[in-house]
Amino acid sequence: NAGVTQTPKFQVLKTGQSMTLQCAQDMNHNSMYWYRQDPGMGLRLIYYSASEGTTDKGEVPNGYNVSRLNKREFSLRLESAAPSQTSVYFCASSELRGGAGNTEAFFGQGTRLTVV
Amino acid sequence: AQSVTQPDIHITVSEGASLELRCNYSYGATPYLFWYVQSPGQGLQLLLKYFSGDTLVQGIKGFEAEFKRSQSSFNLRKPSVHWSDAAEYFCAVGVLNTGNQFYFGTGTSLTVIP
Repeated sequence: NAGVTQTPKFQVLKTGQSMTLQCAQDMNHNSMYWYRQDPGMGLRLIYYSASEGTTDKGEVPNGYNVSRLNKREFSLRLESAAPSQTSVYFCASSELRGGAGNTEAFFGQGTRLTVV
Repeated sequence: AQSVTQPDIHITVSEGASLELRCNYSYGATPYLFWYVQSPGQGLQLLLKYFSGDTLVQGIKGFEAEFKRSQSSFNLRKPSVHWSDAAEYFCAVGVLNTGNQFYFGTGTSLTVIP
């Protein structure tokens, strides 16, 4: 059982370049999330998708776009990378709902992105 | 708005000593509460979670946490710390709404002295 898989694990971009971070989960979760982690700031939500076909902005969406391709896959795109987007990016999935069947957020191993 | 506060940025303890990491949350209803651990260069691993019922919950690696509604707290404890517990610890709140979001604290970095 792979859980949440992110690719790539490491990436270096030049300012202005674009790239897409890929995420896939095999737990049949409805909700998926993209976070960025910066020193001293914990995890901040960039975008989330409560279910297939829906996406919403989180706390820090500027400079990013997302696509919920299907129930398994949720990608994050940087259209024009900036040094401020240097960070560690985590994808997560969950099935958070009331009553029985709640699950925590399951995380991928992260993508370490440097923009120079 | 929901928020999670971890007041201790960094804690140092001696191996074998007890540990308590603090977490306070701001949320109108009873939240879903979690503690995660992150080793350097790794993703986040769940230590324990609270949804309802017994307010003292047991987790992996000998950790436990207690939910105190009156104090809006969910502090993490371990009776005897091991060197391998050195890591970053995150408290999180899960909120049921249209987005089913998770809110994280800024983390507490734990150093264990031999």
